[in-house]
Amino acid sequence: EAGVAQSPRYKIIEKRQSVAFWCNPISGHATLYWYQQILGQGPKLLIQFQNNGVVDDSQLPKDRFSAERLKGVDSTLKIQPAKLEDSAVYLCASSPTTGTNEQYFGPGTRLTVT
Amino acid sequence: GDSVTQMEGPVTLSEEAFLTINCTYTATGYPSLFWYVQYPGEGLQLLLKATKADDKGSNKGFEATYRKETTSFHLEKGSVQVSDSAVYFCALINSGGSNYKLTFGKGTLLTVNP
Repeated sequence: EAGVAQSPRYKIIEKRQSVAFWCNPISGHATLYWYQQILGQGPKLLIQFQNNGVVDDSQLPKDRFSAERLKGVDSTLKIQPAKLEDSAVYLCASSPTTGTNEQYFGPGTRLTVT
Repeated sequence: GDSVTQMEGPVTLSEEAFLTINCTYTATGYPSLFWYVQYPGEGLQLLLKATKADDKGSNKGFEATYRKETTSFHLEKGSVQVSDSAVYFCALINSGGSNYKLTFGKGTLLTVNP
């Protein structure tokens, strides 16, 4: 079974530029999560999708971050414009349903904002 | 809100030494508890979990027991190997809420020397 795929693995941009990250969850997994992991901290949930609907986006900085999950499969997370403090690893995870407590993580995208 | 506190790192041990990484939590209701491991350059992997009080999770020689009376979930291994060098995250899911987001501790870097 293929795992959660993410791309790109690394990205370097200048502040005020925009960037997008892509995630392909495990086939058949209805729930998809985006986490932000700042260096030296644990991951923090940004947004959770159930199929193509948003379950929780309370910690997503909506003035600059946006995410979508068209057709309930792949997802894209965008930052526009980026700030220095957005430098982090962005992790995507998926789980079969909302009612399960096991999440499977992708390798992450390391973003550096200069 | 929910929170997880784990011992500060880094932790440096010699091969075959005994490992303990302390983890305590604050949560309403009855959370499920997890240990995740992140090897260098890789994504988060579930190491073990426990879903109710007095449950013991175990995997790859690692163990942790869900102690509700002390709100703890300490990770232990009797004899560590160089290959156990990684960052370890304690986490919880509070299923009393409407979603199943993971709340993580800050992580503990373990280095095992030959």
